Amino acid sequence: DAGVTQSPTHLIKTRGQQVTLRCSPKSGHDTVSWYQQALGQGPQFIFQYYEEEERQRGNFPDRFSGHQFPNYSSELNVNALLLGDSALYLCASSFRLAGAPDTQYFGPGTRLTVL
Amino acid sequence: GQSLEQPSEVTAVEGAIVQINCTYQTSGFYGLSWYQQHDGGAPTFLSYNALDGLEETGRFSSFLSRSDSYGYLLLQELQMKDSASYFCAVSRQRDNYGQNFVFGPGTRLSVLP
Repeated sequence: DAGVTQSPTHLIKTRGQQVTLRCSPKSGHDTVSWYQQALGQGPQFIFQYYEEEERQRGNFPDRFSGHQFPNYSSELNVNALLLGDSALYLCASSFRLAGAPDTQYFGPGTRLTVL
Repeated sequence: GQSLEQPSEVTAVEGAIVQINCTYQTSGFYGLSWYQQHDGGAPTFLSYNALDGLEETGRFSSFLSRSDSYGYLLLQELQMKDSASYFCAVSRQRDNYGQNFVFGPGTRLSVLP
């Protein structure tokens, strides 16, 4: 059973460029959340997708956008990259069940470096 | 707003017991989770508490007191491989669209031989 997968593993971009990161959830999961983790800090919630729509959003600017596809996979897009966007971007998947906690399973992350 | 506090670093020796505390302030509290993250790796789920009390999973136990907005992770019989960062995360119920998670800053555990 494949876990959460993310691509690419590493990425180097320059300021002002745009980037797209990809995530495939664990088999059977229908919800995808994206997090940004700066070095030495905890993951910060960006947004969550369920049924192909953004359902929740953290405190991130509109430069951060996403998409979820019918097969539950997801993309994170970041426009007009800033140096401060350099971080590990984590995707987490879960299965939504009413009244039950969302146990999130994380992918290995994409390390984004903005020069 | 919401905030979580954890000690930044904890050091212990192999075979010992260590407790990592977490205090939180948040609205819409649903539960408290704990994650382990090794350097260069992804966070992995350890335990979850929605109700007051102790949850035990092998060498790891987690405790929650909702009235005190406090929880802890207890690691017993420490092994070298337990050296990692440990994050507490509050899950908050958001309307009908499931929960979102707010992570603490993390506690770096070093296990010495």
